[in-house]
Amino acid sequence: GAGVSQTPSNKVTEKGKYVELRCDPISGHTALYWYRQSLGQGPEFLIYFQGTGAADDSGLPNDRFFAVRPEGSVSTLKIQRTERGDSAVYLCASSKGQGVMTEAFFGQGTRLTVV
Amino acid sequence: GQNIDQPTEMTATEGAIVQINCTYQTSGFNGLFWYQQHAGEAPTFLSYNVLDGLEEKGRFSSFLSRSKGYSYLLLKELQMKDSASYLCVPSGNTPLVFGKGTRLSVIA
Repeated sequence: GAGVSQTPSNKVTEKGKYVELRCDPISGHTALYWYRQSLGQGPEFLIYFQGTGAADDSGLPNDRFFAVRPEGSVSTLKIQRTERGDSAVYLCASSKGQGVMTEAFFGQGTRLTVV
Repeated sequence: GQNIDQPTEMTATEGAIVQINCTYQTSGFNGLFWYQQHAGEAPTFLSYNVLDGLEEKGRFSSFLSRSKGYSYLLLKELQMKDSASYLCVPSGNTPLVFGKGTRLSVIA
């Protein structure tokens, strides 16, 4: 696609529920990143995929968070038993090439609100 | 590990020049990105420095000193639309890690 697409743009869910956030990267980009951003803070790294595999998942806060990228393109971030503290904007970015030096393009994010 | 230090907030006048400084410590340094983020929007790429020196791109320039772990972003002829957060992002062995950035307010 022309850019990184994230759906939904907004998601309101009740505490304890399960949510899935989707990211469609730019076609041909092998690297995909998930970040989350709270108000007044910079993007916080969650997980990085190179192709289908998670090259670095050290930023996932706990085992309620999980992400997949089964075919090396679309990725889904899954959050179980959501808590109010999970409320944030979840950003996805993609870049081409094998290294981490190439420019990352961001989607517009999914604003998650846990009530 | 990674450590990024830049001012939290800056204010400058429309038409003026502003320099946003960044010092960093990172393992396996490859280069340094600057991103711009307007409130409520996603970050967008501004520049990437690999070699020491100044890279100029229109009203924006970015400088890097690898030996000092220092970079700055220079914005000339400031416009109101330049009000945004500016994120200094060193690229090392880990995926891009962002700090809080510098929130720039441009006033008339």
